[in-house]
Amino acid sequence: GAGVSQTPSNKVTEKGKYVELRCDPISGHTALYWYRQSLGQGPEFLIYFQGTGAADDSGLPNDRFFAVRPEGSVSTLKIQRTERGDSAVYLCASSFQGGAETQYFGPGTRLLVL
Amino acid sequence: EDQVTQSPEALRLQEGESSSLNCSYTVSGLRGLFWYRQDPGKGPEFLFTLYSAGEEKEKERLKATLTKKESFLHITAPKPEDSATYLCAVQAQNSGYALNFGKGTSLLVTP
Repeated sequence: GAGVSQTPSNKVTEKGKYVELRCDPISGHTALYWYRQSLGQGPEFLIYFQGTGAADDSGLPNDRFFAVRPEGSVSTLKIQRTERGDSAVYLCASSFQGGAETQYFGPGTRLLVL
Repeated sequence: EDQVTQSPEALRLQEGESSSLNCSYTVSGLRGLFWYRQDPGKGPEFLFTLYSAGEEKEKERLKATLTKKESFLHITAPKPEDSATYLCAVQAQNSGYALNFGKGTSLLVTP
């Protein structure tokens, strides 16, 4: 079946602009996660959704970052007033129900803030 | 604070030369330890989950083992297509369901 998909695959923006990154999880997966990966580092947790609600947003670095999942499927990560330090690969993962289940990752969105 | 340390940072092997990658962790209550493979420009691809000390899992040329302090990913007779970055992640019982990743080991297998 189809895996996790993310759009766009690449995004170039200017400092101060607003961006939206989209994640389409594996069908039937209720848990969805966002991570951020900088060059040479492992992924870093941002936020976890169980259904429509954000169950854990402790990894969001500041209030410029926000994510939604209004219908419990597709999720959008929103970044306001982008900064050059936001440049990274943003990864989305999903799992069937959460917990200690396997998280399956998408290909990521490469964000470059000029 | 939970910590995950992977070693070595980079490893170069000749085809057929077996070796092991290490993942040392400090966590207050392990819920699970995960191994992923990541190719350049791609997202992490799931390999194994280990839940308790003494557990082992195998897949083709890869075998993962777990103790109370570390996990090893053993690669037997590697092939060039095994070249990738291997990521280890832990999920702690007191940290929700987030995965805490190490920095990875970059493996290059030459013909």
